Amino acid sequence: EAEVAQSPRYKITEKSQAVAFWCDPISGHATLYWYRQILGQGPELLVQFQDESVVDDSQLPKDRFSAERLKGVDSTLKIQPAELGDSAMYLCASSLVPGLSSYNEQFFGPGTRLTVL
Amino acid sequence: AQSVTQPDIHITVSEGASLELRCNYSYGATPYLFWYVQSPGQGLQLLLKYFSGDTLVQGIKGFEAEFKRSQSSFNLRKPSVHWSDAAEYFCAVGAGNTGFQKLVFGTGTRLLVSP
Repeated sequence: EAEVAQSPRYKITEKSQAVAFWCDPISGHATLYWYRQILGQGPELLVQFQDESVVDDSQLPKDRFSAERLKGVDSTLKIQPAELGDSAMYLCASSLVPGLSSYNEQFFGPGTRLTVL
Repeated sequence: AQSVTQPDIHITVSEGASLELRCNYSYGATPYLFWYVQSPGQGLQLLLKYFSGDTLVQGIKGFEAEFKRSQSSFNLRKPSVHWSDAAEYFCAVGAGNTGFQKLVFGTGTRLLVSP
């Protein structure tokens, strides 16, 4: 069964360092999502791509976070510089098309657990 | 703005007992509603979803949920819990413009299953 791949699974970094997370969506999925899940909370959408274009980054802290999906396939989320409050699980998801419907489902990867010291 | 409330942070159920996890939503029109499960260290898996039609929705792993508009609720149920059901459960509502809706999640309910 096709899955969303993410790496690394765990990342420990020091405050003010740069970190990057990688996501490979299910083949053929045009829409890719990055979520942040703080411990004890539900996931929150950071950015949504349709192919290589950003369609929603309203919750992305743009002063330190950036995301790209250059060829419309895999994607990288970067944080520079990392802050203590960035410690969280970063989840990537993909879907065949954008939007929510009875036939369109978001499939989630296993996530990257980030700890900032 | 659309939102979801899961009033129970933790629930403990004996194996074999029935389960009900509560979810209340805030949305003006007919909502799109979802239940996801997250096992430790894993991503989220969709259990079931409601878009329209029959208000009792069947999902995977023996779960079902009932949409009650009058109570703004979408509670998740299972008649007999197995130890492998221990996980965190998230209710979510679809929000935003048609074609680009996003999921808005509740804070989750952690299910513990006792022997």
